[in-house]
Amino acid sequence: GENVEQHPSTLSVQEGDSAVIKCTYSDSASNYFPWYKQELGKRPQLIIDIRSNVGEKKDQRIAVTLNKTAKHFSLHITETQPEDSAVYFCAASKGGYQKVTFGTGTKLQVIP
Amino acid sequence: DTEVTQTPKHLVMGMTNKKSLKCEQHMGHRAMYWYKQKAKKPPELMFVYSYEKLSINESVPSRFSPECPNSSLLNLHLHALQPEDSALYLCASSQEVISGNTIYFGEGSWLTVV
Repeated sequence: GENVEQHPSTLSVQEGDSAVIKCTYSDSASNYFPWYKQELGKRPQLIIDIRSNVGEKKDQRIAVTLNKTAKHFSLHITETQPEDSAVYFCAASKGGYQKVTFGTGTKLQVIP
Repeated sequence: DTEVTQTPKHLVMGMTNKKSLKCEQHMGHRAMYWYKQKAKKPPELMFVYSYEKLSINESVPSRFSPECPNSSLLNLHLHALQPEDSALYLCASSQEVISGNTIYFGEGSWLTVV
């Protein structure tokens, strides 16, 4: 089955700095890569996603890049704010039945 | 309204009890899911329903029994659970079950087995 590795497990940045979270996946057939943000005690919420036919996608301060050859994808958050503090999960899925495999999560702390 | 609602928010049950978790969505989604999340871990898929039929069972023990009474409702019946089953149980839905459809999660039900 699919295996998704995520690094780093924790990340502390100063407010205003950028944060980068990296993931690798094992199954070359995976074609959909969502990123979820989960605040403490809350539900995971989709913040951005990318499909395998696209190399980069941006939404305001958040961007995701995908390298299909290397089987890795990354989340970039610019101008970080304290409200960006949360656990971020990358994920991968493929095919007819949506079995989303999550990475292990990155706890991001933005220091004011 | 992108809402998946779950009840109860918190549940404490003994190992001999029978209880149920409930989930409802009114987005017209045809796929519904149960995930289990332990502290500081990612969500783990348990069950997938597509058009009210069970499509995926991720080798979940029979003490967890899912039910989809209609396209808007999803239940998870619990019986003879173990303390290690204590976790956050997340219901989710998506338009279709095909990869690439956004999955919307509910706020979850916090389950404690004593």
